[in-house]
Amino acid sequence: KNEVEQSPQNLTAQEGEFITINCSYSVGISALHWLQQHPGGGIVSLFMLSSGKKKHGRLIATINIQEKHSSLHITASHPRDSAVYICAVRRNEKLTFGTGTRLTIIP
Amino acid sequence: NAGVTQTPKFRILKIGQSMTLQCTQDMNHNYMYWYRQDPGMGLKLIYYSVGAGITDKGEVPNGYNVSRSTTEDFPLRLELAAPSQTSVYFCASCREGAGALHFGNGTRLTVT
Repeated sequence: KNEVEQSPQNLTAQEGEFITINCSYSVGISALHWLQQHPGGGIVSLFMLSSGKKKHGRLIATINIQEKHSSLHITASHPRDSAVYICAVRRNEKLTFGTGTRLTIIP
Repeated sequence: NAGVTQTPKFRILKIGQSMTLQCTQDMNHNYMYWYRQDPGMGLKLIYYSVGAGITDKGEVPNGYNVSRSTTEDFPLRLELAAPSQTSVYFCASCREGAGALHFGNGTRLTVT
């Protein structure tokens, strides 16, 4: 079993839908990162969480440390949100990555 | 600030050749990382460094070497390239502790 599991692996939705991507992990961590990778390949950091909830524009990230689970939500989804979303957990100096969720938003 | 700069963007190597992937950051970050990304797989840690003069192996270090002589630079060396090293390589950096991650644009390497 991987240390970091993401679900779903692929998600297709209509423009405007509310999107939820999940990340579960099996070890104690000091922080969790949500990243976005566009088709061009570049990786951008969206959030870093150690507790609670963070919001940036239409994106919301939550983490439940006791349940070892985090969610990334996108409200009013748009085709430009189409990308691969990656969860990564930090343990000491190292990061372990999930395999990503490929999101496609159809106009 | 340029952030994290990786060169080259693309490279094709023949089996047995060697090359160095360059990574430099101008944010004075202590932590730097090299990852490889294979299709359908998560990013795998090759090597990392927590400061100048300090490097350590990650999950998949075989066939690679690194050095960290300055805070800014963290080059990755491939000796005797093999087809299994065909991948996309990313360099990343962050502040010590739980800082946000900054990635380079990646290097797409093909070994034939």
